[in-house]
Amino acid sequence: QKEVEQNSGPLSVPEGAIASLNCTYSDRGSQSFFWYRQYSGKSPELIMSIYSNGDKEDGRFTAQLNKASQYVSLLIRDSQPSDSATYLCAVNTNAGKSTFGDGTTLTVKP
Amino acid sequence: SQTIHQWPATLVQPVGSPLSLECTVEGTSNPNLYWYRQAAGRGLQLLFYSVGIGQISSEVPQNLSASRPQDRQFILSSKKLLLSDSGFYLCAWSLTGHTDTQYFGPGTRLTVL
Repeated sequence: QKEVEQNSGPLSVPEGAIASLNCTYSDRGSQSFFWYRQYSGKSPELIMSIYSNGDKEDGRFTAQLNKASQYVSLLIRDSQPSDSATYLCAVNTNAGKSTFGDGTTLTVKP
Repeated sequence: SQTIHQWPATLVQPVGSPLSLECTVEGTSNPNLYWYRQAAGRGLQLLFYSVGIGQISSEVPQNLSASRPQDRQFILSSKKLLLSDSGFYLCAWSLTGHTDTQYFGPGTRLTVL
């Protein structure tokens, strides 16, 4: 079992829809959780970080964390074509190191 | 504000040649520094991380090495490149602390022929 697993994708949604990206992790001691967006050929950029159970909202993005279920998700409301990218889930299992999932590629169709 | 630089941006090298990739961070002191490699269509594989000058931890045994000669400089090296070393190399930094949010440089795309 991988330490961090994401939807295999690709995920395709129409413009204006809600995109839902999911991530599960294996280490119950994990404390910090991150979502990065990576455009093709570019480096990852941080979208959201979440540290406690529940929801965290930032504009059109909402991160959800459930430590009991070892599950973290990212919702993108009112999806735009510019949201088309690969989304990477990262989990900090030890201070100073992150483990990344393989990413889910999202395509938003106009 | 903090800035992270990597160079070169792209590199094409023959098998068996040496490698040196450089990463520098501006605007912060004593950052944690990381080297990752990303194969096509895959996630990030942590290669090395450093919590201070001369302190390097290796995550994956291979023909690569890393050094941190200065507080904000991180170098990735190889004496002899393999075909399997091709990929997108990313340097990242974070501040010491429980959140450890990492911020990435622009990356170096390495092709070994």
